[in-house]
Amino acid sequence: KQEVTQIPAALSVPEGENLVLNCSFTDSAIYNLQWFRQDPGKGLTSLLLIQSSQREQTSGRLNASLDKSSGRSTLYIAASQPGDSATYLCAVGEYGNKLVFGAGTILRVKS
Amino acid sequence: NAGVTQTPKFQVLKTGQSMTLQCAQDMNHEYMSWYRQDPGMGLRLIHYSVGAGITDQGEVPNGYNVSRSTTEDFPLRLLSAAPSQTSVYFCASNPRVNTNTEAFFGQGTRLTVV
Repeated sequence: KQEVTQIPAALSVPEGENLVLNCSFTDSAIYNLQWFRQDPGKGLTSLLLIQSSQREQTSGRLNASLDKSSGRSTLYIAASQPGDSATYLCAVGEYGNKLVFGAGTILRVKS
Repeated sequence: NAGVTQTPKFQVLKTGQSMTLQCAQDMNHEYMSWYRQDPGMGLRLIHYSVGAGITDQGEVPNGYNVSRSTTEDFPLRLLSAAPSQTSVYFCASNPRVNTNTEAFFGQGTRLTVV
């Protein structure tokens, strides 16, 4: 059974810092890996999707990498801003569009 | 374009009551699913559907029923609510099955069973 772990569970940084969120998974037979953002009381917003054959994806200040063989993905956020404060969820996409989620990293960026 | 719409946003039920959580999408997506989110845990898949008339169980299906009579709608029914079903429920959709496409999520329904 696939298990997804996110470290750290919470992170507080001053504005302007570059930061890395970590995600690990136990079964390398994945279809893709997705990073989501969740604001309090809101739904999930897709940030990046990395196909299993890809190594990384970039969108603006966000860069996500994938190392299937070691079961790891990282989300890099450059020049963090207070508006980046949210919960970041990592999800492994399995065959059939099923997603297996980690518990998330709560990020607070202080101004 | 409304995306994925869930109703209601909040609901309080008494133990033993039944109710239906509504989910509708206006993007003509094939795949729809329901997840629940509990504190300290990742979202867990309850049921999913790969098209109208086709549904299947996810990781935590007990106590829930679904049906998919149209492409747009995928309601989740709680048959006899229990306190263990207190959670935030999310509906999601994908354009096609087994393609590398991002999932679209609704805003969630916060359910409390007392």
